[in-house]
Amino acid sequence: GENVEQHPSTLSVQEGDSAVIKCTYSDSASNYFPWYKQELGKGPQLIIDIRSNVGEKKDQRIAVTLNKTAKHFSLHITETQPEDSAVYFCAASKGGFKTIFGAGTRLFVKA
Amino acid sequence: EAGVAQSPRYKIIEKRQSVAFWCNPISGHATLYWYQQILGQGPKLLIQFQNNGVVDDSQLPKDRFSAERLKGVDSTLKIQPAKLEDSAVYLCASSRLTGELFFGEGSRLTVL
Repeated sequence: GENVEQHPSTLSVQEGDSAVIKCTYSDSASNYFPWYKQELGKGPQLIIDIRSNVGEKKDQRIAVTLNKTAKHFSLHITETQPEDSAVYFCAASKGGFKTIFGAGTRLFVKA
Repeated sequence: EAGVAQSPRYKIIEKRQSVAFWCNPISGHATLYWYQQILGQGPKLLIQFQNNGVVDDSQLPKDRFSAERLKGVDSTLKIQPAKLEDSAVYLCASSRLTGELFFGEGSRLTVL
């Protein structure tokens, strides 16, 4: 069945450094790739997304890249801040149908 | 606009008992999802509704889990009888057709 793999499971960076999280997906029909941030005791919240007709998208300190051929997509956070500490999930879906999530990356930003 | 509302936030039951969770999606969102999130894992889709019809329930353990969405708005998820491995956070989400999911804060279930 469809699968999304996410690495690393834990990431620790110094404040101001960059953080990169990588995901691969199995279903070549997937065309929508959102990234969610989950803080303790809360539901996941969308931070950025990308569709299959775009290779890269940026929103301030956050960027996402997509390689459809390799079925890879990545999240890049620059100039990390302590408030970026959370669990990040990548996901893949076909036009919003059956969104499959990765296992998550716990990001620690050390002040 | 109001977010996705879920209740109860916390529930503790003994195994073999039953439990029900309620979700009220964002107004106007036709699609509603129930996800199960076990500690340390990503959300796993249990069931997806489009209005009041089921779009996908392939990963719903139908021998013990059931869900309904009456009148295409609120939804309930029921577990009967509960097992220890059902301990998790049950997340409800809703969306328009664009794909972005809006999640509630979840209902944390502990089965003893």
